[in-house]
Amino acid sequence: EVQLVESGGGLVQPGGSLRLSCEASGLTFSIYAMTWVRQAPGKGLEWVSAISGNGGSTNYADSVRGRFTVSRDNSKNTLYLEMDSLRAEDTAVYYCAKCFSAGNRDYYYTDVWGKGTTVSVSS
Amino acid sequence: EIVMTQSPATLSVSPGERATLSCRASQSVSSNLAWYQQKPGQAPRLLIYGASTRATGIPARFSGSGSGTEFTLTITSLQSEDFAVYYCQQYNNWPLTFGGGTKVEIK
Repeated sequence: EVQLVESGGGLVQPGGSLRLSCEASGLTFSIYAMTWVRQAPGKGLEWVSAISGNGGSTNYADSVRGRFTVSRDNSKNTLYLEMDSLRAEDTAVYYCAKCFSAGNRDYYYTDVWGKGTTVSVSS
Repeated sequence: EIVMTQSPATLSVSPGERATLSCRASQSVSSNLAWYQQKPGQAPRLLIYGASTRATGIPARFSGSGSGTEFTLTITSLQSEDFAVYYCQQYNNWPLTFGGGTKVEIK
């Protein structure tokens, strides 16, 4: 069974930094592109970032570009999201999710999700 | 950025009835459209990808249709476990974008 477990959330002051991790099990991690999706309290889903299986290609939402960095360590089956210059509007549950892959092609819809980790940005 | 617009925001349906949810893209996304279900306190669950293909384990009462800019998720004979929020997501262009969601509630 594929499992994704996020960690690293917490309370941070505006302007601060945080690193989220997502540990994957039950899959050949390096094959799959991965994404981060967040959900502010009482709001809908917002895509944050994505990274290809080998880490060579990354993409970001405009709202986080230049402040967040996605990376992965395939030897540790772990996905990361480094978040800098945090703002109150970054407060959300952050989910990591696995993308579908077939025939050496990545499809950026997500078929497995973690339970999420909560980030609160407040003074 | 492709804007995904879902309607209605809330849909009140009686158990056993049919629910029809709409998702519109601001420009064509071909068939690169997914639907997700989210229940309170839970992560989203993939229902449909490729606009019309059910994900593994998804009951046949869920069906998706459409292409280009207009998409529909239909749930026939709503069960109690189907009352939730549903999101569409396009994966045709960067940035990936979600619709604002449709809440399906018990009438």
